[in-house]
Amino acid sequence: EIVMTQSPAALSVSPGERATLSCRASQSVSSNLAWYQQKPGQAPRLLIYGTYSRATGIPARFSGSGSGTGFTLTISSLQSEDFAIYYCQQYYRWPETFGQGTKVEIK
Amino acid sequence: QVQLQESGPGLMKPSQTLSLTCIVSGGSINSGTSDWSWIRQPAGKGLEWIGRIYTSGTTNYSPSLKGRVTISVDTSKNQFSLRLTSVTAADTAVYYCARDSISYSTTYFDLWGRGTLVTVSS
Repeated sequence: EIVMTQSPAALSVSPGERATLSCRASQSVSSNLAWYQQKPGQAPRLLIYGTYSRATGIPARFSGSGSGTGFTLTISSLQSEDFAIYYCQQYYRWPETFGQGTKVEIK
Repeated sequence: QVQLQESGPGLMKPSQTLSLTCIVSGGSINSGTSDWSWIRQPAGKGLEWIGRIYTSGTTNYSPSLKGRVTISVDTSKNQFSLRLTSVTAADTAVYYCARDSISYSTTYFDLWGRGTLVTVSS
């Protein structure tokens, strides 16, 4: 199965600053990459699919980029509600697999 | 809008069989446009896809759990279920039901239930 590796494990960012999260696949997943946000005690929420496309209702400050084996989620100006754990997921090859997550913390 | 709600036993003993149900509200589980998955998350860890049931009723399971897992659907109750046999402490996790965004394909998940914690302990 494809192994997804996220870095860093944790990221301290001040409100209003940019956050850049990385996700790497053990083999190419083309552009079949999604990102999720999870807050404590809540289910994951779909943010990005197809590497670039924002899910319904997701603010424009969230953007995705990359292809093949390297992907990035950028949050352009962190808001208080953005402090959470973010997971990437590949759906290029079965079984679908997730990264271990990046925790975005308040600096 | 469509919502998902899991229900389950909470606490179990090793070797027992786990049974979870996901009730689909606000829409039909048998609409023919959505497949349904189970995903789990051990405490403080990442997410693991368990398996899915297609609108046709056929199923697809993770290789790591195949042989222990069964997913079924009850269209009369608008729900689908997960059965996991011979549980161990390693099966302790929050279990989520989710909607596949793309039918009959590997996919991402666009709707999730709130999750139910299952603890396996003697």
